[in-house]
Amino acid sequence: DTGVSQNPRHKITKRGQNVTFRCDPISEHNRLYWYRQTLGQGPEFLTYFQNEAQLEKSRLLSDRFSAERPKGSFSTLEIQRTEQGDSAMYLCASSLAGTPPGHFGPGTRLTVL
Amino acid sequence: AQRVTQPEKLLSVFKGAPVELKCNYSYSGSPELFWYVQYSRQRLQLLLRHISRESIKGFTADLNKGETSFHLKKPFAQEEDSAMYYCALSVSGGSYIPTFGRGTSLIVHP
Repeated sequence: DTGVSQNPRHKITKRGQNVTFRCDPISEHNRLYWYRQTLGQGPEFLTYFQNEAQLEKSRLLSDRFSAERPKGSFSTLEIQRTEQGDSAMYLCASSLAGTPPGHFGPGTRLTVL
Repeated sequence: AQRVTQPEKLLSVFKGAPVELKCNYSYSGSPELFWYVQYSRQRLQLLLRHISRESIKGFTADLNKGETSFHLKKPFAQEEDSAMYYCALSVSGGSYIPTFGRGTSLIVHP
């Protein structure tokens, strides 16, 4: 499968715990995006990378959220001290620079109890 | 800040009927508009973009700057068109960071 992959697919955690998600983009894509989606809403932009550089972060991305793409390939999104409001589907997408994200991954569904 | 509005949460039509999924936007500059689609149990994917001016799976969308709209149309709906459709906008400059609407669920009945 050469599409965008995300792991884990589901994560249940208790409030206050830290969680980390991984995204593996399409191999030749140099841009990687993170979005968050809650029920009944469209995806909301969180952050994106071009190669290993994090070029933009949304104001939605509080200090508890951090994302990395250390070698310009896969990316991780970490949420520290999770809150119930963090429960959502976290989506990753990739693209070539100069093109919009064409394909998204399957998402990681986070449930914070 | 830019905003995308999809006024209908649900659109229900019969097979063979015309379909129009509405999308309005607010942005002071020259945006690029997109439609994304998510079929049941599948991933979100790009359906079409306004600069391409192409028809994908029989769908077309025209950017109307006067009315700030980018409605998605298909003359004859098929059952396989049933899906969630999201309109999205990115600002000029090539950053390609789509801002999404809340989506419209299209159901095509046999």
